[in-house]
Amino acid sequence: DIVMTQSPDSLAVSLGERATINCKSSQSVLYSSNNKNYLGWYQQKPGQPPKLLIYWASTRESGVPDRFSGSGSGTDFTLTISNLQAEDVAVYYCHQYYRIPQTFGQGTKVEIK
Amino acid sequence: QQQLQELGPGLVKPSETLSLTCTVSGGSISSSSYYWGWIRQPPGKGLEWIGSIYYSGSTYDNPSLKSRVTISVDTSKNQFSLNLTSVTAADTAVYYCARHSVSGTWYSAFDTWGQGAMVTVSS
Repeated sequence: DIVMTQSPDSLAVSLGERATINCKSSQSVLYSSNNKNYLGWYQQKPGQPPKLLIYWASTRESGVPDRFSGSGSGTDFTLTISNLQAEDVAVYYCHQYYRIPQTFGQGTKVEIK
Repeated sequence: QQQLQELGPGLVKPSETLSLTCTVSGGSISSSSYYWGWIRQPPGKGLEWIGSIYYSGSTYDNPSLKSRVTISVDTSKNQFSLNLTSVTAADTAVYYCARHSVSGTWYSAFDTWGQGAMVTVSS
């Protein structure tokens, strides 16, 4: 199985500042034939289902604010939330859909400092 | 805009079978553009992919569930279902159904989710 490891487990950021979440996969999730990284990022607020923010590692889902951005390739990925807003308090998960079984990171909790 | 809704019993006894159905509204489950999946989340924990199905009936399952899983599709009812046999307390979780888009010969991330159904395994 591809193990997805996120860091940190939690972080506290001041309003308007930047939050950076890292995700490392135990194997590459880059498919060389189409040069796509099979990596997504989700936001989950309490009592709600996950919401897709980013897919193909860096493509923002329709309707997602542009303060959310994804980067990285191969085995190392980053979700950046610039200009953190109060409504961004949530747990964030990375997800690889390259290999069976699909796997998720353990989650990173983002709070306001 | 498509919506997904899980339905099933909130309580299942140990060793019995957990059965959930996901109803798709606002579009056809028979679309060649999507796969349909099940994901679960134990209380206070992370996400685990259970399996996914295409409208044709082709499935991909998580081997960690050791063949306890059956995912099926009923195109006439615009539904897909999950059966998980021989449940234990470790199967207690919120169960989500979700959609992911076909991309080439594979699929993309989960872009639409149901609200989730809490299932508790207890006698």
